[in-house]
Amino acid sequence: RKEVEQDPGPFNVPEGATVAFNCTYSNSASQSFFWYRQDCRKEPKLLMSVYSSGNEDGRFTAQLNRASQYISLLIRDSKLSDSATYLCVVTRNTGNQFYFGTGTSLTVIP
Amino acid sequence: DADVTQTPRNRITKTGKRIMLECSQTKGHDRMYWYRQDPGLGLRLIYYSFDVKDINKGEISDGYSVSRQAQAKFSLSLESAIPNQTALYFCATSDLASGSLDEQFFGPGTRLTVL
Repeated sequence: RKEVEQDPGPFNVPEGATVAFNCTYSNSASQSFFWYRQDCRKEPKLLMSVYSSGNEDGRFTAQLNRASQYISLLIRDSKLSDSATYLCVVTRNTGNQFYFGTGTSLTVIP
Repeated sequence: DADVTQTPRNRITKTGKRIMLECSQTKGHDRMYWYRQDPGLGLRLIYYSFDVKDINKGEISDGYSVSRQAQAKFSLSLESAIPNQTALYFCATSDLASGSLDEQFFGPGTRLTVL
């Protein structure tokens, strides 16, 4: 079983829509959780860390459910510039082992 | 200037050739990583290093070797390249001491094609 699983999509949504991505992880010892964004042919960049209490950064909301071992990302009022691949990342043994999901592709349509 | 740089950015080589990919960083981070990215498989860890004297194998180290020449430099070598090593390779750094919960900073990637 993969450490991290994501629905690859693609998700095609109109501008202004709300879209949600989920990610599940297999190891209950996982410690830290992140969402990274990767534009086509570019390097991944941190979008936001995910905290147990949930956290929000502008139009983006991330939540963690340790009991069910899943992480979610909600994007409100989608912009064309949100089009990218979103990678779910989980770590164990802090700074030692990073596990990346395969990514979920989002295209925001005018 | 970019904080994490990789050279070359693109490379086409033939089966059996020795290839070295280089990574340099100006972030002053101790931890450096090499990943490869393949369609449908995501990013997979090849090797990582916590300081100059520390080298660790990742998930898919077979066929690869690394050298940490200095805190700022971490090189990945393919001793005898094979076609299934065709992939996009990323170097990354992190610094736990920064308090940023293990954020990794990636270089721009090297696209390697082995014919």
